[in-house]
Amino acid sequence: EVQLVQSGAEVKKPGESLKISCKGSGYTFTTYWIGWVRQMPGKGLEWMGIIYPDDSDTRYSPSFQGQVTISADKSITTAYLQWSSLKASDTAMYYCARRGVSGGGIDFWGQGTLVTVSS
Amino acid sequence: QSALTQPASVSGSPGQSITVSCTGSRSDVGAYNFVSWYQQHPGKAPKLMIYDVNTRPSGVSNRFSGSKSGNTASLTISGLQAEDEANYYCSSYTTSNIIGVFGGGTKLTVL
Repeated sequence: EVQLVQSGAEVKKPGESLKISCKGSGYTFTTYWIGWVRQMPGKGLEWMGIIYPDDSDTRYSPSFQGQVTISADKSITTAYLQWSSLKASDTAMYYCARRGVSGGGIDFWGQGTLVTVSS
Repeated sequence: QSALTQPASVSGSPGQSITVSCTGSRSDVGAYNFVSWYQQHPGKAPKLMIYDVNTRPSGVSNRFSGSKSGNTASLTISGLQAEDEANYYCSSYTTSNIIGVFGGGTKLTVL
């Protein structure tokens, strides 16, 4: 059974750093693109970026380039999303997602990680 | 890149059919047959309902169907049920990058 299990909710202060994780299981982790999707409170879905774990080829959406870092450790089948300096506007639910159907469609989603940034 | 355009809300009565539109451009919806649709209930992760414009994943009810004409894709739900009440998002591959783009989302209310 394919599963993407994300790390737990985080409460941080502005300016702090953060790294959240997404562990894949039940499939060959290195052969599917994994992406991160942001959903701000009461808002829609936004692609942040994607990574191909086999060679760590990483692509970012223009809005998120330079704002976050996406990485993966294929030895432990885990993808990461990190911030070096959080802002209040980073408060959102973050989903990891496996692009498992043609055209980049997402067939499996993580359960989401809620990040709250507040002073 | 700009989000695909969806109506903010649609509604229908149980048993009726509704259609949600998703308008893009020649750079995304119009360029490829790679449109996906996702259903999201409050507090839950999204779920894939349609991919490649009109393909249903295993386990998705055949009441859900997709189509495309030019730069506009559509999701049709027939025989509306109370459990269909949710937010629906379209997504498309784009010519500008391999990441893709989402629509703004449509809230479906079952009256």
